[in-house]
Amino acid sequence: QVQLQESGPGLVKPSQTLSLTCSVSGGSVTTAGYYWTWIRQHPGEGLDWIGYIYSSGDTYYNPSLRSRVTVSLDMSKNQFSLTLDSVTAADAAIYFCARLWRTRIGAPGGFDLWGQGILVTVSS
Amino acid sequence: QSALTQPRSVSGSPGQSVTISCTGTSSDVGGYDYVSWYQQHPGKAPKLIIYDVLTRASGVPGRFFGSKSGNTASLTISGLQADDEADYYCFSNARRYILFGGGTKLTVL
Repeated sequence: QVQLQESGPGLVKPSQTLSLTCSVSGGSVTTAGYYWTWIRQHPGEGLDWIGYIYSSGDTYYNPSLRSRVTVSLDMSKNQFSLTLDSVTAADAAIYFCARLWRTRIGAPGGFDLWGQGILVTVSS
Repeated sequence: QSALTQPRSVSGSPGQSVTISCTGTSSDVGGYDYVSWYQQHPGKAPKLIIYDVLTRASGVPGRFFGSKSGNTASLTISGLQADDEADYYCFSNARRYILFGGGTKLTVL
């Protein structure tokens, strides 16, 4: 049974870089047909996708965050990561990693697995 | 890409049915049959309940029904139960981009 688990600092200072990792167990990040995704949720609000990566290394980012975001894959550790530069209070949220399946036309199909989420606070 | 439009809240009594709508455009909801729905209880991660517009995820009871007409997808929950009280989000893709609805809070009266 594939499981996802987020890890990283729960507190980041303003203007610094947020770095989170999602560890995949029970399966492989190289499995064909899946995109590995980061999503965030501000307290009491809806879901916002941040970006996703395929095993080929192809990445797609939310245009509103593209200039500050990098999603990367570490096949040797069976993990994928998120870095978000120059954080502000607006980046404080719960960050989820999730598995997104790839449709036959290569488009994102939907999320079948989620991590439990990690709360990130931005404060000096 | 704009978020998909959902009602902020819906409510119903136990045993009743409710329908949650998700409106997009011909470039997303109306253009692809990749609409999915997620249920999120407080403090928990979202859970897939419907995918490909109308297919129930594994273990999801038949009380949950998905449909689509034009640029609007809908989730209907019949025979409301107390545990159905949660936030519900729709999802669609616009080519390689991802769109979520703003979320609907379902209250079981």
